[in-house]
Amino acid sequence: EDQVTQSPEALRLQEGESSSLNCSYTVSGLRGLFWYRQDPGKGPEFLFTLYSAGEEKEKERLKATLTKKESFLHITAPKPEDSATYLCAVRSETSGSRLTFGEGTQLTVNP
Amino acid sequence: DAGVTQSPTHLIKTRGQHVTLRCSPISGHKSVSWYQQVLGQGPQFIFQYYEKEERGRGNFPDRFSARQFPNYSSELNVNALLLGDSALYLCASSFWGSTGELFFGEGSRLTVL
Repeated sequence: EDQVTQSPEALRLQEGESSSLNCSYTVSGLRGLFWYRQDPGKGPEFLFTLYSAGEEKEKERLKATLTKKESFLHITAPKPEDSATYLCAVRSETSGSRLTFGEGTQLTVNP
Repeated sequence: DAGVTQSPTHLIKTRGQHVTLRCSPISGHKSVSWYQQVLGQGPQFIFQYYEKEERGRGNFPDRFSARQFPNYSSELNVNALLLGDSALYLCASSFWGSTGELFFGEGSRLTVL
């Protein structure tokens, strides 16, 4: 059974204070690791897909990296508008198309 | 371009009632998936349909059912509602059935009293 654990559960940063969110996973044959951003009461917004260890992707202040056991979402010089819940999900060889999500990290960036 | 659209956005039902939620995928996408998100948790997979056929089912009771129409839109039906069915129901579409990113709608917020 695919498992995803995200840490920390909540993170509070000052504007400009860089940090990283962690996503640890256990799957039988990774076929994609996905990062989403979710604002309160809204649906998840797609950010990145990573497929193999060593892969990195960037978008504005966000950078996602992948190893064989975990992924990191690095946030550089965050702004208050980056405040949201960040969700990590995996797809495996045994899961078909379904995504298994972690419980998310709730990020708050104070001005 | 229009994203994934879901209706209704909010609804309130009482225990024992039935509910139908609707989803229109992104134009050109042939796969629709349904997820349930309870407050404070990550989304949980309910169903996936590709080319109008069920391709996956999560660990939900038979009270939950779904279908996909020839235009690729989809319905999620829940019978005999329980208090624990209160959640945000998310629809996601993708072009392929088993690969690629999922793009989510804004969800339908169901409250069961």
